[in-house]
Amino acid sequence: GAVVSQHPSRVICKSGTSVKIECRSLDFQATTMFWYRQFPKQSLMLMATSNEGSKATYEQGVEKDKFLINHASLTLSTLTVTSAHPEDSSFYICSARGGGGPYNEQFFGPGTRLTVL
Amino acid sequence: EDQVTQSPEALRLQEGESSSLNCSYTVSGLRGLFWYRQDPGKGPEFLFTLYSAGEEKEKERLKATLTKKESFLHITAPKPEDSATYLCAVQSKGGYDKLIFGTGTRLQVFP
Repeated sequence: GAVVSQHPSRVICKSGTSVKIECRSLDFQATTMFWYRQFPKQSLMLMATSNEGSKATYEQGVEKDKFLINHASLTLSTLTVTSAHPEDSSFYICSARGGGGPYNEQFFGPGTRLTVL
Repeated sequence: EDQVTQSPEALRLQEGESSSLNCSYTVSGLRGLFWYRQDPGKGPEFLFTLYSAGEEKEKERLKATLTKKESFLHITAPKPEDSATYLCAVQSKGGYDKLIFGTGTRLQVFP
């Protein structure tokens, strides 16, 4: 099946610093990538959708200037959490989808646990 | 507004005790319904996609079914390794690629 990787798997940073998370599709070209956030014992909440070579589309309530998304190639998307604060601590998960038609499943990465001190 | 509700919130089963998980949905034109399995601290693992009422799909001990209002994930003779959170998500025809997730059912299977 389709494989999506994320790096790093865990990151601890100080309040006020920026953190970059990478999401890669390893064996397929991802026309669209998605970034989710998940709090403990809660479901996934979509933050933004990105298409290769174009600006990301953010969900209502998600700050564009705080969560910078770049989808520079068909296999790589990055999420940068700028000026991180403790309330940004969460589990961030990316997913990738390749192509259209009926085969539009999203395949998820293993997630990145962000802890802001 | 598109919405997904899963029940029960948590389910404890004895090994071999079959059961079903429910996913009720309201969506403005269903494009697809997806089942995922999520282990603690990991990303969701894709299980099934269902596109139209009456459709069924099977994988090992799991069988997913779909009606116009809900989907069931049937687990036959579960094993401890089936313990996980099972997530249901829908995609609407007007929502492009956006997935709306339910809160999941946490399944524990005891030997």
